[in-house]
Amino acid sequence: ETGVTQTPRHLVMGMTNKKSLKCEQHLGHNAMYWYKQSAKKPLELMFVYNFKEQTENNSVPSRFSPECPNSSHLFLHLHTLQPEDSALYLCASSQWSGGLYYEQYFGPGTRLTVT
Amino acid sequence: GDSVTQMEGPVTLSEEAFLTINCTYTATGYPSLFWYVQYPGEGLQLLLKATKADDKGSNKGFEATYRKETTSFHLEKGSVQVSDSAVYFCALRTGDMRFGAGTRLTVKP
Repeated sequence: ETGVTQTPRHLVMGMTNKKSLKCEQHLGHNAMYWYKQSAKKPLELMFVYNFKEQTENNSVPSRFSPECPNSSHLFLHLHTLQPEDSALYLCASSQWSGGLYYEQYFGPGTRLTVT
Repeated sequence: GDSVTQMEGPVTLSEEAFLTINCTYTATGYPSLFWYVQYPGEGLQLLLKATKADDKGSNKGFEATYRKETTSFHLEKGSVQVSDSAVYFCALRTGDMRFGAGTRLTVKP
C-alpha cells in the first residue's frame, strides 16, 4: 500500500448505530487530519493530530470521537449520528516540523450516509 | 485570519480551451501556496505548489505563479481536456493549511 488509505470507502448507517472509519498513512508523516466535505460547503477541518496528540478540534460534536494510536493510524468513531452528518470524510497526513504543517496528502475518502 | 478566495464555479469549457481559475489570498506572513485537484469519487491530490514570491509551480500542463504584489496564485492551462474535469482547490500554508471553497470545472468534448 502506498500513500493514504481509508476504509471503508462507503458506509450506510442508522442513527443508532456505532461505526468507525479507519485511515492509514504510509508516507512517514507525523501529522494526521480528519476533514468533512459536504455538498456545496467548503472543506471543514475536524481534527488534527501531531505526533499522536490532538492539537485541534474545531467544535466538532461529541458524536464524533477521534483516536490516533500511532502516527500512522487514525480512526473516527461514530455514534448516534444525524442525517446532516452524511458527507465525504477525508483523511490526510503531512509532515510537521518547526511549527509548520507541510503539504497534505489525502486519502480517497469514506462516503457516509446516515439514514 | 489567513484565507484564500477563489472564483466561484462552475466553469464549463470546450476541449482545447484556455483555462484560468483565479485565486487570491490574505496572509500576515509569507505563505506557501498550493493547488489541489479532486476527481469524481476521489480525495484531493496535490497538483502544484510555490513556496516564495515569483515562483512558478507546474504539473500536467497546469501552471500557477506566486504573485506577491497582487496576492494571487491563478491556475492556468493552455488546452484543457475532458479528463481535466474535476474540482480545483487553492490553498495556503503559514502555520496550518487553509483551503478555498473549490471551483468545479467541466470540460465538454
